[in-house]
Amino acid sequence: EAQVTQNPRYLITVTGKKLTVTCSQNMNHEYMSWYRQDPGLGLRQIYYSMNVEVTDKGDVPEGYKVSRKEKRNFPLILESPSPNQTSLYFCASSLQGAYNEQFFGPGTRLTVL
Amino acid sequence: AQSVTQPDIHITVSEGASLELRCNYSYGATPYLFWYVQSPGQGLQLLLKYFSGDTLVQGIKGFEAEFKRSQSSFNLRKPSVHWSDAAEYFCAVGARTGANNLFFGTGTRLTVIP
Repeated sequence: EAQVTQNPRYLITVTGKKLTVTCSQNMNHEYMSWYRQDPGLGLRQIYYSMNVEVTDKGDVPEGYKVSRKEKRNFPLILESPSPNQTSLYFCASSLQGAYNEQFFGPGTRLTVL
Repeated sequence: AQSVTQPDIHITVSEGASLELRCNYSYGATPYLFWYVQSPGQGLQLLLKYFSGDTLVQGIKGFEAEFKRSQSSFNLRKPSVHWSDAAEYFCAVGARTGANNLFFGTGTRLTVIP
């Protein structure tokens, strides 16, 4: 089944404790992206990747890191999480670029205490 | 820079009634336009998109949207709403040049009453 998977689905952590949210797609898509969703703000893009080893900042990249060493994986790293990073995170992928249909993962709900 | 506005935070309609969700964008030229739907507890799914050509675009699940350049709008419509359409709907815009990313609106939550 074609899908985007994210792990974990739920995470509660404390300020400053490094964490990684994994994202994997099995559709051989070139484009992958991370969004955060906050009430009243909709979805905002954090980082995106056009292909392996090619990443770029979205609208709200501060406090986040990403890497794209393999085509299928695009982990999101929070080196020192803070409470303002409490949010619902979505990973998405598409064949080629943001303007092709993006397929979204189920989301990761992160709480930073 | 482009931006998108969804003026209605929450809309309630009766099952079988027609639906129109509003989307207005701000951009110097005609952007790429999208509607995504998010069912409860799920990720987003593309309903339809407009790149060029016919300004009335058909999508999945019986939805359509009309691009009106004069009004900078891309409203989503459905002639008869089903209970399963209850969800949150997001309009998004993308620039035809520049960074390869989308700007999403804040969303409209649709409630369907029997």
